[in-house]
Amino acid sequence: EIVLTQSPATLSLSPGERATLSCRASQSVSSYLGWYQQKPGQAPRLLIYDASKRATGIPARFSGSGSGTDFTLTISSLEPEDFAVYYCQQHSIWPLTFGGGTKVEIK
Amino acid sequence: EVQLLESGGGLVQPGGSLRLSCAVSGLTFSSHGMNWVRQAPGKGLEWVSRISGNGDNTYYADSVEGRFTISRDNSKNTLYLQMNSLRAEDTALYYCAKDTSSGRYIFDYWGQGTLVTVSS
Repeated sequence: EIVLTQSPATLSLSPGERATLSCRASQSVSSYLGWYQQKPGQAPRLLIYDASKRATGIPARFSGSGSGTDFTLTISSLEPEDFAVYYCQQHSIWPLTFGGGTKVEIK
Repeated sequence: EVQLLESGGGLVQPGGSLRLSCAVSGLTFSSHGMNWVRQAPGKGLEWVSRISGNGDNTYYADSVEGRFTISRDNSKNTLYLQMNSLRAEDTALYYCAKDTSSGRYIFDYWGQGTLVTVSS
């Protein structure tokens, strides 16, 4: 199975700052990688799929990049509602797998 | 508006069985692959199983293969997960989630989850 490693585990930033989250795959997933945001007590929310395509209704401050084994989620300027846990998921090879998550917390 | 509503969770003893349901509305249910994803308390997400729109194709995580069975009733717009031989490590919040409309195996709508606790 493909292992997804997210880093860092925790990112401490202030509103208005830029957030850069990493997801590395144990083998190539081509461009079939997505990102979710999850807030406490809520279901995950799809942000990005196919590495760089924003899901419906997702603000432009969220962007994804990468291919093969290395991927990045960038939040250009953090809003108060962006502090949450972010997960990557590969949708290339069965079984589908998720990364362990990156928590973006208020500094 | 697309809605997914899970039910059927609860407390069950190790070795026991449980059937989860997910009622879906607001879309053409038979046109979409559906999934179960779980999250153990305080932990990350784990994909469990997927079924194609017509029910012909199913996939399972290794951790549940042979114990869990995914199915669907397109006439009732409902997804199911039959869970047998339950273990303590199956304790989690179980979400149903829909494939994206582009057919990608990634999930654009989720329910709020139903909690399964396996304990004696």
